[in-house]
Amino acid sequence: AQSVTQPDIHITVSEGASLELRCNYSYGATPYLFWYVQSPGQGLQLLLKYFSGDTLVQGIKGFEAEFKRSQSSFNLRKPSVHWSDAAEYFCAVGLNTGGFKTIFGAGTRLFVKA
Amino acid sequence: NAGVTQTPKFQVLKTGQSMTLQCAQDMNHEYMSWYRQDPGMGLRLIHYSVGAGITDQGEVPNGYNVSRSTTEDFPLRLLSAAPSQTSVYFCASRLGTMGTYEQYFGPGTRLTVT
Repeated sequence: AQSVTQPDIHITVSEGASLELRCNYSYGATPYLFWYVQSPGQGLQLLLKYFSGDTLVQGIKGFEAEFKRSQSSFNLRKPSVHWSDAAEYFCAVGLNTGGFKTIFGAGTRLFVKA
Repeated sequence: NAGVTQTPKFQVLKTGQSMTLQCAQDMNHEYMSWYRQDPGMGLRLIHYSVGAGITDQGEVPNGYNVSRSTTEDFPLRLLSAAPSQTSVYFCASRLGTMGTYEQYFGPGTRLTVT
């Protein structure tokens, strides 16, 4: 069965430090890959997506993610975290099998300390 | 564009009561979905619709009904609320077969069943 794993339930980083959030997926073919962010009390907003082509994709708010087929991973990175980045981050996989479905990971909550 | 709107933002129900969560979008999106978000479980798909008059079950459909009489609206009905349905509910929409499969989310409805 297809699945998305975000191994870290929560992560704390200092403001200005770099960030990497991990995401692994289980799927036979190359899926569509997404990262969404959810600020407290808000809905989800798309940060970036990967469909094909360059495996390093740039998103909004200075985030980037790299697709590594050999590791079935799509990790999210940011070189310098701002306090406003504190939120929950969801990795998602889109499967185009008889209708397009999106499977979400459990999420990683990011805390930013001053 | 208002995007995806949901009402109400908060609701408290007693066990056995019924209610309808409203969702509307003004982007002329074909696909609409309902998710529930529970701590540590990410988003789980309840029901979805690929167009007016067409709905289908997602991962956790029991206890919920949907209908799609117009492109804009996709209400979610709880016929007899149970404490297990305490959750945050998100409605989402996206383009159909054309487009990048990016989903647009509403702000959510926080439901408590006592």
